[in-house]
Order: sequence, then structure tokens, then C-alpha cells
Amino acid sequence: EAGVAQSPRYKIIEKRQSVAFWCNPISGHATLYWYQQILGQGPKLLIQFQNNGVVDDSQLPKDRFSAERLKGVDSTLKIQPAKLEDSAVYLCASSRDRFNEKLFFGSGTQLSVL
Amino acid sequence: ILNVEQSPQSLHVQEGDSTNFTCSFPSSNFYALHWYRWETAKSPEALFVMTLNGDEKKKGRISATLNTKEGYSYLYIKGSQPEDSATYLCAPHGGYQKVTFGTGTKLQVIP
Repeated sequence: EAGVAQSPRYKIIEKRQSVAFWCNPISGHATLYWYQQILGQGPKLLIQFQNNGVVDDSQLPKDRFSAERLKGVDSTLKIQPAKLEDSAVYLCASSRDRFNEKLFFGSGTQLSVL
Repeated sequence: ILNVEQSPQSLHVQEGDSTNFTCSFPSSNFYALHWYRWETAKSPEALFVMTLNGDEKKKGRISATLNTKEGYSYLYIKGSQPEDSATYLCAPHGGYQKVTFGTGTKLQVIP
């Protein structure tokens, strides 16, 4: 089966600019996750969707980050405006359901904010 | 948010040595524990999903055990090989709670 598709792979922007990431999960996977991984730390969950509804966005900085999952399939994560501390790897993952199902990860987007 | 601790943070072992890491998590409200391997320049890959106390899973030279009563899991690698070099992440979750990752154990296997 095709894996989780993410783009772009790398992005370099200046602070205060905007950036968007795109994710296409594995077909049929109901749950989609966006994680932020800062160097030296474990991945931090930003937002979790179940189909097209938000299950958890408690750690999403909502003043600058937004995410949507239209029609319960593809998802986009946006940062506007970006700050230096947003430099990280952004990982998208999907699973068949949100309980004891393993996560399948995309290749990630390496974001550098200068 | 679950408090997840992994130890050690990093370690270097010689090729052929066996090694193990620890993942500690709150024992209350436990539902499942995931182990992932994250190689440099690749995506994290699931190794195991464990749910039962006393559970033991094996995949080739890698195995894991789970103690939900005391809140820990061990990951073992027998006869480490250079291709085992990666960061190993554990992620417990409690049913409706989020899958929370630890900071990982970075393993370097020296040929």
C-alpha cells in the first residue's frame, strides 16, 4: 500500500513569513496526526483528526498555527507568521483508528526559520 | 499529557553486543504502548504495539516487554548491528488520550 505522502521535504523561510505543509494519509486511515519534532526532543503532538473532526489540538499554538482536514482525507498545516522557534521537523502520521493501532509516518518537512 | 521518560538518552555499543533501553510511564489509565525506530533521514517506523501486562513481542533480533502495573517497558536488541543505529522512541497512550512520545534513546552501533 502507498505510504503517507508529505510535502515539501524542506522549507527555508524568514521569520514573520507564512508556510504551509501538506499531507495525504494512507487510504482508509481515519486518524491523522501532525507532530512537531524539535532537535533533541521527542515528537510533540500538535493536532489529531478523527476523519474530518479535531480530537485534540491542546498543544497547537492557535495564534499562529492552523490545520484542516477537508473531507476527512488530505490535511494542511499552516504557520502564520513563523517564529525562529518554529524551526523543526513536522511529521504527519496516520492510523486506521485512534486506539491501539500503530502510526504510519510520512517523510517529514524540515522547516528552517531564519 | 503523559509524562514519558526514556533512558539512556544515548549510547554507543560495539557491533555484536546486546543492549536494552527503558521506557517509563504512568501506570494509571494505561491503554497501549508503542515502540518506534527512527533512522536518520527516514520516517519513524513502528516496531511494536503492546497492550497487555506481561506481554512480550519479538521482531528478529529486537524484542520488548511490558509491565503496566509498574509502568515500564524494556526494548532489547540482541547482537547489535550497524543498521540498528537509530533513535528508538516509545509512546504510551491511555485510550482517548493522545499518543505521547518520549525523547528517545539514540543508539550508535560501532562496527
